[in-house]
Amino acid sequence: GENVEQHPSTLSVQEGDSAVIKCTYSDSASNYFPWYKQELGKRPQLIIDIRSNVGEKKDQRIAVTLNKTAKHFSLHITETQPEDSAVYFCAASRNSGYSTLTFGKGTMLLVSP
Amino acid sequence: NAGVTQTPKFRILKIGQSMTLQCTQDMNHNYMYWYRQDPGMGLKLIYYSVGAGITDKGEVPNGYNVSRSTTEDFPLRLELAAPSQTSVYFCASSYSGELFFGSGTQLSVL
Repeated sequence: GENVEQHPSTLSVQEGDSAVIKCTYSDSASNYFPWYKQELGKRPQLIIDIRSNVGEKKDQRIAVTLNKTAKHFSLHITETQPEDSAVYFCAASRNSGYSTLTFGKGTMLLVSP
Repeated sequence: NAGVTQTPKFRILKIGQSMTLQCTQDMNHNYMYWYRQDPGMGLKLIYYSVGAGITDKGEVPNGYNVSRSTTEDFPLRLELAAPSQTSVYFCASSYSGELFFGSGTQLSVL
């Protein structure tokens, strides 16, 4: 089955800095790669996703890049703000119709004012 | 829309007890899922369903059972609770791609 590795497990940045979280996956048939944000005590929520026919996708301060050859994808957050502090999960699956996602273990992002 | 509703929010079980975690969604989504979240371990898929009457095992199904008699409801059954089942359980639904999660059930087995 699919295996998703996520790094780092903890990331501390100053407000205004950029943050990058990286994930690798093992199943070359995976073609859907979402990122979820989970604030403390809350449910995970989708913040951005990318499909394998696209190399990069951007939504305001958030961007995701995908390298299918190397089987890795990354989340980039620019101009970080304290409200960006949360746990971020990457995931991968073979299709987005029904998402039997395999999640990474998560990255706790701490943004200090 | 209420989205995905899970009950209860918290529960303490004794070893060997049974319980059902309830999950209902009002978005008419075909796909529903149960995940468990352990500290530092991400979310692991327990069971999923692609429609009423159809269920399938995920990554960690042992010790659990599910049923899907309607589009709206997807309950998760623990038959003989064990300490290893102490976790936070999330139900989710989707139409295409994005998972919509419930607020979670924090379960402790002592």
